Amino acid sequence: NAGVTQTPKFQVLKTGQSMTLQCAQDMNHEYMSWYRQDPGMGLRLIHYSVGAGITDQGEVPNGYNVSRSTTEDFPLRLLSAAPSQTSVYFCASSPRDATGELFFGEGSRLTVL
Amino acid sequence: AQKITQTQPGMFVQEKEAVTLDCTYDTSDPSYGLFWYKQPSSGEMIFLIYQGSYDQQNATEGRYSLNFQKARKSANLVISASQLGDSAMYFCAMREANYQLIWGAGTKLIIKP
Repeated sequence: NAGVTQTPKFQVLKTGQSMTLQCAQDMNHEYMSWYRQDPGMGLRLIHYSVGAGITDQGEVPNGYNVSRSTTEDFPLRLLSAAPSQTSVYFCASSPRDATGELFFGEGSRLTVL
Repeated sequence: AQKITQTQPGMFVQEKEAVTLDCTYDTSDPSYGLFWYKQPSSGEMIFLIYQGSYDQQNATEGRYSLNFQKARKSANLVISASQLGDSAMYFCAMREANYQLIWGAGTKLIIKP
């Protein structure tokens, strides 16, 4: 029962470096999304996808890229890391059904120095 | 404008008492869903309960129930017989037809022994 798997769980970057947060799900969910969670705040949507080959921007997309070449994978790329991107990142998936529960990965804590 | 409002940043409740966590929402979409998630200090997001906008009855899941008042646009979470393990952050979220989930800022619940 893998569910949603995020890697890495922890990462420290220097300003200007790039990296990719990996997200994979084995539930054949059409919908996948990336959120960031900052202290004292709820989750904010970065990017989402309703199926392979389809992605769209959420509330806070700047500085991040995504792609969805397969149903299972939805990587999040930081092109040039900034201290403002220090956060906890969650990947989540659900069936393409607005009533569907969102299944979350365990989160990835990113620190940008 | 805030789409999801949780007015209680923090709450202290005596063990075994019932607790109500407030959530109000704003949408013009006739079809939407409301979710509650729990986030313990370990950081994972745990799904608690879901209410659809067309559901006639209030949702219940074990000790959790959702007091859904559509006309008032409120979806309060009620936890009966609180336990020490209920201490956590609680987030209300709304999903509209575009599948995006909008989150409240959360309520930190602390159960006192």
